[in-house]
This record gives sequence, structure tokens and C-alpha cells, in this order.
Amino acid sequence: AQKVTQAQTEISVVEKEDVTLDCVYETRDTTYYLFWYKQPPSGELVFLIRRNSFDEQNEISGRYSWNFQKSTSSFNFTITASQVVDSAVYFCALSEASQGAQKLVFGQGTRLTINP
Amino acid sequence: DARVTQTPRHKVTEMGQEVTMRCQPILGHNTVFWYRQTMMQGLELLAYFRNRAPLDDSGMPKDRFSAEMPDATLATLKIQPSEPRDSAVYFCASGLVQDTQYFGPGTRLTVL
Repeated sequence: AQKVTQAQTEISVVEKEDVTLDCVYETRDTTYYLFWYKQPPSGELVFLIRRNSFDEQNEISGRYSWNFQKSTSSFNFTITASQVVDSAVYFCALSEASQGAQKLVFGQGTRLTINP
Repeated sequence: DARVTQTPRHKVTEMGQEVTMRCQPILGHNTVFWYRQTMMQGLELLAYFRNRAPLDDSGMPKDRFSAEMPDATLATLKIQPSEPRDSAVYFCASGLVQDTQYFGPGTRLTVL
């Protein structure tokens, strides 16, 4: 069965520090998709990134970067030079191709607080 | 800037009342999802549709919940009768087949 684990329930750092959010997943599928979503205090869920299981290249988007490692079943998210606006709950999620790549299974989320 | 819209944004009702939540998916998206978010259970998939046909509603309490897509621009989630344990944030999401799901702002439901 598919499962996503975000072991860090809460993280608090001071502005400008780098911070990494961990995500470990379980799946028996060889084809699957991994996602990160951001939920700011306003409550909406904002899509950040989608990665398929055949693409292990790390990705960088501005201050955000993602490290996908199939060998450890991890898809970690790093924010460089954090800002107060990065404060939010971040969710990692997984969908399996055998399930039509439709069902998203979410981790429990990591609440990130950036202090000024 | 295409977005999923949901109404109402907030709903307070009394136990036993019917609740209807509505969702307008992004134009052109052919899959629609309903999720529920609670502190205890996190984000759970309740049901989803493809081309307006229900594909999976196994996450939904069948006796009181129902989900429909009367047309391509409207998805509804009904609870009848509502119970205090239904209090949660209900999210609608839409996307293309095997593609990213984009979420609406959610409906915060409180059942007293």
C-alpha cells in the first residue's frame, strides 16, 4: 500500500536560514508521481512541484530545491535563505500509476515557521 | 488565472441539517476530486470523477454523503444528515488525467 511519511511535525527557524523538509514514501509501483503542496495560513493548497519516478534529476526553482532519491525512497524539499512568507504547512504526496495516477496520498504535513 | 472555486467558503450548521458544497473546476479539466482535511486524519480523498462519471467514492461514508457532477462546470458534495464529526475543511481539486491536481480554497464546515 502507498504511504507517505513526513517525520518532522514542526520546524522553526530564523529568517535567512536554510531548511530541509523530509519526505519518505512507500510504494510497490515502478511508476509513480511525487508532489509537494504548500498550505499557507490562509488555508488553500498551493501546488509546488510534481516529479515522476523516472526522473531523478534534482530541481531548483528560485530559493526552492528538491532532492529525489529512489534508493532511499525520499523526496526532500529545501528552502534556501528562508523568508517569513515561507511560513506554512508543507505536504508531500504520492500517486501511483496503477491507481490511474489519480489518488493522492498525503503525508501528515510539516508546519514550518520562519521567525523574523 | 484559472482557479478552482468553491462555495460556500464557510458553513456553520446544526446537527441533522443538510449541507451542500459546490465546486467549479478549472475549465477543460476532466477529473474532479473531493478531499477532507481534519486535524486527526489529515487530508483524505473522499471521491473523484473523470469526465463527470464517478470513479471512486470508497473514501466517503455512503449513508450520509453523496457526490455528483450535474455538468462539467459543477461538482457537488452533500451531507444529509450532518453530524458534528463531519466538521472539517472540504477541498475540491481538478486536473487532467494522470496530471497535477489543483485545489480550491476549501469549505470550512462546522456542525454544532
